[in-house]
Amino acid sequence: DSGVTQTPKHLITATGQRVTLRCSPRSGDLSVYWYQQSLDQGLQFLIQYYNGEERAKGNILERFSAQQFPDLHSELNLSSLELGDSALYFCASSAQGAMGEQYFGPGTRLTVT
Amino acid sequence: GIQVEQSPPDLILQEGANSTLRCNFSDSVNNLQWFHQNPWGQLINLFYIPSGTKQNGRLSATTVATERYSLLYISSSQTTDSGVYFCAAPGNAGNMLTFGGGTRLMVKP
Repeated sequence: DSGVTQTPKHLITATGQRVTLRCSPRSGDLSVYWYQQSLDQGLQFLIQYYNGEERAKGNILERFSAQQFPDLHSELNLSSLELGDSALYFCASSAQGAMGEQYFGPGTRLTVT
Repeated sequence: GIQVEQSPPDLILQEGANSTLRCNFSDSVNNLQWFHQNPWGQLINLFYIPSGTKQNGRLSATTVATERYSLLYISSSQTTDSGVYFCAAPGNAGNMLTFGGGTRLMVKP
């Protein structure tokens, strides 16, 4: 158990819908990262938050957004869903900003039908 | 950004055999991690190894930062070692990890 929790574990929804994925980092970790794992793109970084503020953006679509709340949990919002958004979405956290080891949650498996 | 390449892409072993997985990266790094993704999809931390050698049971890892590669050794493999092994390193812009394509390992009884 990494100490990072994600809910829900599975999500099945239709095209055009909007979903919210939730992540709670390890106790004391200030950085939260979101990654997407799809069959064709592999594991890709989406976005990072550090102590409530956006720190870095990767290959995140404009239809996707995220935020980190004062209690440090984070949410990833996916809207106008397309079939190609079906993937495993991971949240990770680390204690330090620049060099900290990242620990991954169990992931949320999203299926868009 | 940094490029991370892993080899071999696939590996089939008989239980009890040893193996070496390789990870090459295109730029200097201050952090390198190895993960095991089990059949349930969970990413499990194996090593955080910017340089040098570390051992954990039957697994060990070596990173030679000056030559931009890392090796993961699995000795006396077991069927539970099956899954995909990823290495990942951060780019210069921050701590976000760039993952290699993975090595898919199957250990047969």
